[in-house]
Amino acid sequence: DTEVTQTPKHLVMGMTNKKSLKCEQHMGHRAMYWYKQKAKKPPELMFVYSYEKLSINESVPSRFSPECPNSSLLNLHLHALQPEDSALYLCASSQDRTGGNTIYFGEGSWLTVV
Amino acid sequence: GQQVMQIPQYQHVQEGEDFTTYCNSSTTLSNIQWYKQRPGGHPVFLIQLVKSGEVKKQKRLTFQFGEAKKNSSLHITATQTTDVGTYFCAGYPSGTYKYIFGTGTRLKVLA
Repeated sequence: DTEVTQTPKHLVMGMTNKKSLKCEQHMGHRAMYWYKQKAKKPPELMFVYSYEKLSINESVPSRFSPECPNSSLLNLHLHALQPEDSALYLCASSQDRTGGNTIYFGEGSWLTVV
Repeated sequence: GQQVMQIPQYQHVQEGEDFTTYCNSSTTLSNIQWYKQRPGGHPVFLIQLVKSGEVKKQKRLTFQFGEAKKNSSLHITATQTTDVGTYFCAGYPSGTYKYIFGTGTRLKVLA
């Protein structure tokens, strides 16, 4: 069982829709991450939050907008997505963002853009 | 840019055979982690290696970190059907504050 909880597990949205993915952890971790994973590919880092501040944005298009309301929650707001954005979106957390910490992944949100 | 490659991309083995995946980084790594992702699942942490030449064992799994800290390997002895999945290494280059996932090796075990 993962201690990082993601909702929804599945989401189908149209290209004009606005939706959000949600992530929660109660391990006291101060680093939280969003990854995107396409089929048969490795997880691809999108954003890193450290102590509730955005510390890394891997040149992600602005149609993806992250938000960290508090140390336990991480959201990913989606707007005007394209079909190629369909993927598994993984939230993760670690003690902090320095190396040497285990990254705990949630079960992911399967996103389909139609 | 920094890259972490894994070979082979796919491996099919008969149950009971051994399996090895190799991970190679274009840059020196502070440490390396290994993850397993079952089909339809999420990556799950297996182990971390930090020291040059380090070898760690977990039951049938043996992990090695190269002397130059640019490569690593995972060896599974006597595979079982429960070993099925994709194995990813994730390297942490110094000063980057992020892990770079390797391309992954998909293991299929035939009973």
